[in-house]
Amino acid sequence: AIRMTQSPSSFSASTGDRVTITCRASQGISSYLAWYQQKPGKAPKLLIYAASTLQSGVPSRFSGSGSGTDFTLTISCLQSEDFATYYCQQYYSYPGFGQGTKVEIK
Amino acid sequence: QVQLQESGPGLVKPSQTLSLTCTVSGGSISSGGYYWSWIRQHPGKGLEWIGYIYYSGSTYYNPSLKSRVTISVDTSKNQFSLKLSSVTAADTAVYYCARERSIFGVVTYFDYWGQGTLVTVSS
Repeated sequence: AIRMTQSPSSFSASTGDRVTITCRASQGISSYLAWYQQKPGKAPKLLIYAASTLQSGVPSRFSGSGSGTDFTLTISCLQSEDFATYYCQQYYSYPGFGQGTKVEIK
Repeated sequence: QVQLQESGPGLVKPSQTLSLTCTVSGGSISSGGYYWSWIRQHPGKGLEWIGYIYYSGSTYYNPSLKSRVTISVDTSKNQFSLKLSSVTAADTAVYYCARERSIFGVVTYFDYWGQGTLVTVSS
């Protein structure tokens, strides 16, 4: 199984900050990576797929990059509605998720 | 707009079989191009993919759960279902159904999700 490791597990940030979340795969997965946002009590929401393609309707402040084993999700200017938990997911083999990164209000 | 809705018992006794159904609206399961998945999330934890089914009935399961999982599809009702046997407290989780894009026959990411349903395993 491909193991996905996100860092950090959680952090605090302020509205307007630029934040970056990292996801590392235990083996190369090309660009077969998606990012999701999950708010408490809600289902995850697809933000990015193919490592860097923005899902329709997702604000352009979200961006993704990387290929192979190392990937990043960047939020260019954090908004109040962005405080949530973020998950990466690889689809190089059967689907596997990272453990999540919680973005909290500072 | 595709919508998915999970239904089923919220409480299951240990050693019994958990059964959930996902009803899809706004699109046909039989239209092809998508796999239909179950994913779970233990309380306060991350996401675990359980398995998926194609409208033709072909399935693929997470190896860690394969011996206990059965996913089936009813195209006439536009539904797919999950059965997880021999449950224990460790199977207590929120269970989501989701649509997974298929690109050139390869399963990819989950673009639509149900709201999730909490299933508690307890006597």
